[in-house]
Amino acid sequence: GAVVSQHPSRVICKSGTSVKIECRSLDFQATTMFWYRQFPKQSLMLMATSNEGSKATYEQGVEKDKFLINHASLTLSTLTVTSAHPEDSSFYICSAERTGPNTEAFFGQGTRLTVV
Amino acid sequence: GEDVEQSLFLSVREGDSSVINCTYTDSSSTYLYWYKQEPGAGLQLLTYIFSNMDMKQDQRLTVLLNKKDKHLSLRIADTQTGDSAIYFCAEDTGRRALTFGSGTRLQVQP
Repeated sequence: GAVVSQHPSRVICKSGTSVKIECRSLDFQATTMFWYRQFPKQSLMLMATSNEGSKATYEQGVEKDKFLINHASLTLSTLTVTSAHPEDSSFYICSAERTGPNTEAFFGQGTRLTVV
Repeated sequence: GEDVEQSLFLSVREGDSSVINCTYTDSSSTYLYWYKQEPGAGLQLLTYIFSNMDMKQDQRLTVLLNKKDKHLSLRIADTQTGDSAIYFCAEDTGRRALTFGSGTRLQVQP
C-alpha cells in the first residue's frame, strides 16, 4: 500500500509555544489530506480538510487561527498548533487521499502531543 | 447525525475467534471500513464493505453488515497475538473524510 509519513510521532511542548506537525505522502500525490484528532477513549474526529493550493476547510468548532494548516505541495500538509495549551494535548493523525480507480485514504502514524 | 459506537475492550485467547462490533447511525453510509492501529503505527486499512453487501470474507477476516440494524461486525478467525491492536470501524457518508468509532482494544492472551 501507499505510504504516509507523519512527523514527529511524539512531541512535548510548553504552554504558549507552537508546534508543527508534518504529513507527507511518500509515493503518491495527494491533492487532499485530512487532519483528525483523538482524545483518550474517544473517536477520531475530523478537524479539517486540507486542499493543495487553497485554504483548508475546517469542521465546526475547530479554530482555524489556532490550528493552521498549510498544504503547499502535493505531498506535504502541515498542521501548526499555535499558542498550545494543555487542553490541546491529544493524538493528531493525518490521512492522504490517493485518487484513481479506487480512491483510498492512507493514514500517517499519528502524533502524540503533550502540552505542559 | 453521525455517530459510530464500539465497545472499548475485548480479550480473547490465542486461537479463538474475535468478534468486534460496531453500530452506526447514518443510513446514507456508502462504505464501511475496519482499520487496525498497532502501537506507534498509523491506521492500517484491514477491509471494507460496500453498503449493499451483507458479508465479505477476506482470509481470516469476515465482515458482517446488518443495514436494518446499522450494525457492523468484524470476525477474526484463529486470533493470534499479533492481532493485538486497536480496531476502528469507520463510515463513509460521501463526505470523503471518515467518521470513526472510538476503537476497540483487542488483547490476545497466549
